Amino acid sequence: QVQLVESGGGVVQPGRSLRLSCAASGFTFSSYGMHWVRQAPGRELEWVAVISHDGHTAYYADSVKGRFTISRDNSKNTLYLQINSLRDEDTAVFHCAKEISPLAGAWYFDLWGRGTVVTVSS
Amino acid sequence: EIVLTQSPGTLSLSPGERATLSCRASQSLRGNSLAWYQHKSGQAPRLLIFGASNRATGIPDRFSGSASGTDFTLTISRLEPEDFVVYYCQQYVASPISFGQGTRLEI
Repeated sequence: QVQLVESGGGVVQPGRSLRLSCAASGFTFSSYGMHWVRQAPGRELEWVAVISHDGHTAYYADSVKGRFTISRDNSKNTLYLQINSLRDEDTAVFHCAKEISPLAGAWYFDLWGRGTVVTVSS
Repeated sequence: EIVLTQSPGTLSLSPGERATLSCRASQSLRGNSLAWYQHKSGQAPRLLIFGASNRATGIPDRFSGSASGTDFTLTISRLEPEDFVVYYCQQYVASPISFGQGTRLEI
């Protein structure tokens, strides 16, 4: 079954860290660039980060640069997002998403996960 | 950063009617690099349209997209009950990619 399943969210105090995971199945994970997109309560979708199919290149939104790290393990078909120094404004549903084209594709997404909820609260 | 402005914020229609959703870009999107997604709360977003007017795999033909300059339109020709959710446009011509604020379709 072609799917993405996120995990690792929860309620976390400000300043703490969290690692999100996204398990991929049903397609050749190592051939596709992968992204994280988040949605804060009542807000629009916000792109967070991208990693190339081979894990060699990553880019971040300015709002998370220096605090978030995207990575992947192609042997485990898993995408990660390390979030450090959590802030109240990081409260959101975090989705992982797959680029539609293999290798160096355009940054739009034909497969998304349902998301994992991160709540930053003291 | 390219800003996408969707209108209306909420659209009230009935099943069987035609819906027209708009998305305006703050600058030109080379190659009409715009996608539309359908998002039901608590579920994964679903790609409907890419390249402004190309239906994604498995999308019914009642969904169509068009472009005119920096104005983009998603049309749902005959609304089904399951269509009453939120729709987002997204540009992918420039980083950071960006999304519109969404249009909620309600009965």
